[in-house]
Amino acid sequence: GQNIDQPTEMTATEGAIVQINCTYQTSGFNGLFWYQQHAGEAPTFLSYNVLDGLEEKGRFSSFLSRSKGYSYLLLKELQMKDSASYLCAAMDSNYQLIWGAGTKLIIKP
Amino acid sequence: DGGITQSPKYLFRKEGQNVTLSCEQNLNHDAMYWYRQDPGQGLRLIYYSQIVNDFQKGDIAEGYSVSREKKESFPLTVTSAQKNPTAFYLCASSTLREQETQYFGPGTRLLVL
Repeated sequence: GQNIDQPTEMTATEGAIVQINCTYQTSGFNGLFWYQQHAGEAPTFLSYNVLDGLEEKGRFSSFLSRSKGYSYLLLKELQMKDSASYLCAAMDSNYQLIWGAGTKLIIKP
Repeated sequence: DGGITQSPKYLFRKEGQNVTLSCEQNLNHDAMYWYRQDPGQGLRLIYYSQIVNDFQKGDIAEGYSVSREKKESFPLTVTSAQKNPTAFYLCASSTLREQETQYFGPGTRLLVL
């Protein structure tokens, strides 16, 4: 079956660094996505990885290891506005997105 | 401004009633999608369409129906057969060349009275 696993909730301190992990099992693979979703709002696109390695985009970076079925989202210099849910999604061979349940990130002052 | 809109933001359904959720995009995207999001669960695909007058069932299509008469519009009807319709419904669109990048509408929260 197809499955995405990520932690339910994480807590971090303003100004710190946090890493949100995601493991996936899909029928075929066409990329790994991270989205940010604030409560009651639509998800917004953060990153897309299809090759192994680290993609850096400002304070956010995303890593992929295809052989391990593993990705992480790294958030640096955390700000209070980063409090949100972070959704991991993998695209299967039919170009359908398989979504994780999301990781709720709580930022404390 | 180009974008994807959904209406209404909140919708109330009575038992046994069909309701229709609107989704419109002016991004000239060929592909459109409907997802359902429940607390503590990932997004689940209800229906998707890659071309006008054609659509495919997703993982949880039972109790839902869609139409794609125009490229810009992909309305979702929640029928009385859907026994647990309370959820957050998200519409998304993408180009066919870049189906990996989906743009989401603001969502409609459906509540059953």
